[in-house]
Amino acid sequence: SYVLTQPPSVSVAPGKTARITCGGNNIGSKSVHWYQQKPGQAPVLVIYYDSDRPSGIPERFSGSNSGNTATLTISRVEAGDEADYYCQVWDSSSDHKGVFGGGTKLTVL
Amino acid sequence: EVQLVESGGGLVQPGGSLRLSCAASGFTVSSNYMSWVRQAPGKGLEWVSVIYSGGSTYYADSVKGRFTISRHNSKNMLYLQINSLRAEDTAVYYCARAVISGLTNWFDPWGQGTLVTVSS
Repeated sequence: SYVLTQPPSVSVAPGKTARITCGGNNIGSKSVHWYQQKPGQAPVLVIYYDSDRPSGIPERFSGSNSGNTATLTISRVEAGDEADYYCQVWDSSSDHKGVFGGGTKLTVL
Repeated sequence: EVQLVESGGGLVQPGGSLRLSCAASGFTVSSNYMSWVRQAPGKGLEWVSVIYSGGSTYYADSVKGRFTISRHNSKNMLYLQINSLRAEDTAVYYCARAVISGLTNWFDPWGQGTLVTVSS
């Protein structure tokens, strides 16, 4: 089955840029989606189709995907961005399954 | 407003069963792909199951044969029947609409989740 690998944690100072990676075999050939989850809350979609933002998500959130790595970039990080972030793909190659990365805890210093 | 509200979680003994429900508003369940995703305490997200608009169903290997996803079209409800529960099934269970585009799906929106605890 397809595996997505994320770093367990990323730390960034307020106002700086955070980059959270999601690794997978030839992930650039798939569409990657990203979710933000704050403590005690349900996940929220922040990026879909590699780089599209749902309405209501700030332009500071952006995404890219190429080769074996997809990246969620958060510019001008704010304290309110501190959360867990998960990448996700849909694996329809062998079976119809959703696949999530292990998640990355973003800490705003 | 598009909204999902889960219910039915609780404490159940190992080997027991439970039926989770998800009430949808603002859209039609039967016209969409719908999924269940779970999260064990302190752990990451794990996809569980999907039901397509045409009725096809798919499951994670970890739950195949024990969990059954279904829907009630006139009630606009999604369900997850969970049988032969194990301690490792302890988790918050979220329902989510799976938005389809080409060969990919993403999940939006999500419900608030319902906690299932398997313990004796």
